[in-house]
Amino acid sequence: NAGVMQNPRHLVRRRGQEARLRCSPMKGHSHVYWYRQLPEEGLKFMVYLQKENIIDESGMPKERFSAEFPKEGPSILRIQQVVRGDSAAYFCASSTTSGASTDTQYFGPGTRLTVL
Amino acid sequence: KQEVTQIPAALSVPEGENLVLNCSFTDSAIYNLQWFRQDPGKGLTSLLLIQSSQREQTSGRLNASLDKSSGRSTLYIAASQPGDSATYLCAVMNSGGSNYKLTFGKGTLLTVNP
Repeated sequence: NAGVMQNPRHLVRRRGQEARLRCSPMKGHSHVYWYRQLPEEGLKFMVYLQKENIIDESGMPKERFSAEFPKEGPSILRIQQVVRGDSAAYFCASSTTSGASTDTQYFGPGTRLTVL
Repeated sequence: KQEVTQIPAALSVPEGENLVLNCSFTDSAIYNLQWFRQDPGKGLTSLLLIQSSQREQTSGRLNASLDKSSGRSTLYIAASQPGDSATYLCAVMNSGGSNYKLTFGKGTLLTVNP
């Protein structure tokens, strides 16, 4: 059973370009979470999705950021018109259920975005 | 708003030492608490998960304790090895309507010297 897969692992963009980050959850997992780790900061929750639904996007910046988890295919985190402050590691996690006290979120290796 | 603090921020010990990493959280209404390990350039690996009703969990040389009322957890590593060198993250999941969000501390960077 492959773990959570993220690609690309490293992404370099110039200011103003778009960044697309992909996450394939573990097999059998229907809950996906995105977290961002800024330099010298802890991981911060961004968004929680289930198939075709955004459940909670309270951690997402209001502008330029969007996320989706379509019926088929990976979850996508999209950042439009990137700025240097978007440079960070973006982690995706998945779980089988949500809200169970024993449920573990399994994390992918992350995508390290660098904005020049 | 839940806040998680980890002390110390960095720790360097000689091989073989026993050590304790500390985690504190401000809101005791938690669902569970997890300790993760993060290696440079890698993802997070879950080490131990303690449910809110539990006091401790053990896995091999690792033991994590939870005192929910005081908002504290410790991760005890016995007989440390160079391969234990990594950043250790503490994360809590709050109870209530958002019992899926993990709130992380900034981590403790552990270096075990041969």
